[in-house]
Amino acid sequence: NAGVTQTPKFQVLKTGQSMTLQCAQDMNHNSMYWYRQDPGMGLRLIYYSASEGTTDKGEVPNGYNVSRLNKREFSLRLESAAPSQTSVYFCASSVAGGEKLFFGSGTQLSVL
Amino acid sequence: DQQVKQNSPSLSVQEGRISILNCDYTNSMFDYFLWYKKYPAEGPTFLISISSIKDKNEDGRFTVFLNKSAKHLSLHIVPSQPGDSAVYFCAAVNYGGSQGNLIFGKGTKLSVKP
Repeated sequence: NAGVTQTPKFQVLKTGQSMTLQCAQDMNHNSMYWYRQDPGMGLRLIYYSASEGTTDKGEVPNGYNVSRLNKREFSLRLESAAPSQTSVYFCASSVAGGEKLFFGSGTQLSVL
Repeated sequence: DQQVKQNSPSLSVQEGRISILNCDYTNSMFDYFLWYKKYPAEGPTFLISISSIKDKNEDGRFTVFLNKSAKHLSLHIVPSQPGDSAVYFCAAVNYGGSQGNLIFGKGTKLSVKP
């Protein structure tokens, strides 16, 4: 049972480049989330998807887009990367309305 | 404005002693509180939670206490072990609010020394 799988684990981008972070869960969870973690800032919610077909903004959505491809997969896209988006990104999932989140192992992104 | 505050960025404790991690919150609408544990290069994992209708929840070596009047919760680890060394995040949620409203604190790095 893999849980929540994120790819890639590491990525270096140049300013202005685009990329998509992939996330898949095999726990049949309805809700999925994207967080970023910055030093001294804790975990901040970027976007979430309460259920397949829906997405909503979190605390820090600017510069990002998301796609809930199906129940299993939730991707995060950076259309034009900026140095301020250098961070560790975590995908998570939960049962519908659940507060107990299951996290992936993270993607370390550096934007130069 | 931080709704969930962990004012101690780090804590060092001797093995076998008690570790006490503290968390304060400002939003009185929060009705469920959680602690997550995070090792380096891994995602956070759920540790223990407490509902606002309770003042204590225990799970093995881990106990969470909630003081609603003071808007304060704490995590006690007894006895502390070197494997407990990690970053601990406090989180809170308001079930009456919108989905996705789990608010995290900034974390406290616990070091348990042998």
